[in-house]
Amino acid sequence: EAQVTQNPRYLITVTGKKLTVTCSQNMNHEYMSWYRQDPGLGLRQIYYSMNVEVTDKGDVPEGYKVSRKEKRNFPLILESPSPNQTSLYFCASSSKPRTGVGSQETQYFGPGTRLLVL
Amino acid sequence: AQSVAQPEDQVNVAEGNPLTVKCTYSVSGNPYLFWYVQYPNRGLQFLLKYITGDNLVKGSYGFEAEFNKSQTSFHLKKPSALVSDSALYFCAVRDNEAGANNLFFGTGTRLTVIP
Repeated sequence: EAQVTQNPRYLITVTGKKLTVTCSQNMNHEYMSWYRQDPGLGLRQIYYSMNVEVTDKGDVPEGYKVSRKEKRNFPLILESPSPNQTSLYFCASSSKPRTGVGSQETQYFGPGTRLLVL
Repeated sequence: AQSVAQPEDQVNVAEGNPLTVKCTYSVSGNPYLFWYVQYPNRGLQFLLKYITGDNLVKGSYGFEAEFNKSQTSFHLKKPSALVSDSALYFCAVRDNEAGANNLFFGTGTRLTVIP
């Protein structure tokens, strides 16, 4: 089954304790992305990756790191979590974007990781 | 700059009635438009997309959306709402002149279908 998986699904931690949220996709997608979802703000992109070893900042990258050593994995790292990073996080993937008429790839989302930073 | 607006935080509709969830967008080039649905405790699921061609796009679960270039809108519609349609709906846009595959999401509209 084609899917995007995230672990853990739920996490409670304390300020300053480093954590990693894993994301893995089995669709051989080039493009992967992390979003956070907050009430009234919708989804905001944190980081994205166009391919292995290629990552770039999204709209709200502060306090986060990512890596893309393998095509299927795109972990999100919080080196020193703070309470304002309490949120619902989604990983997404899609095949390599192509430009031009009639081409656009749908992003597939993971189930989400709910993080609480105390 | 790209942006998406969903002007209604909440939409209530009676079961069996038609529903509309509104979305307007702003892009510098031609838009690629998407609707996603989020059920409680679940990730986002793709509903439909507009790339080019017919302005009326049909998607999953009986939903459709109409692209209106002059009004820069992409409203989601369904002729007859079901209680099971109750969920959070997100509109998203990508500017096809942008280099990456980044989607810009609206803030979401919570649809409640009343039995």
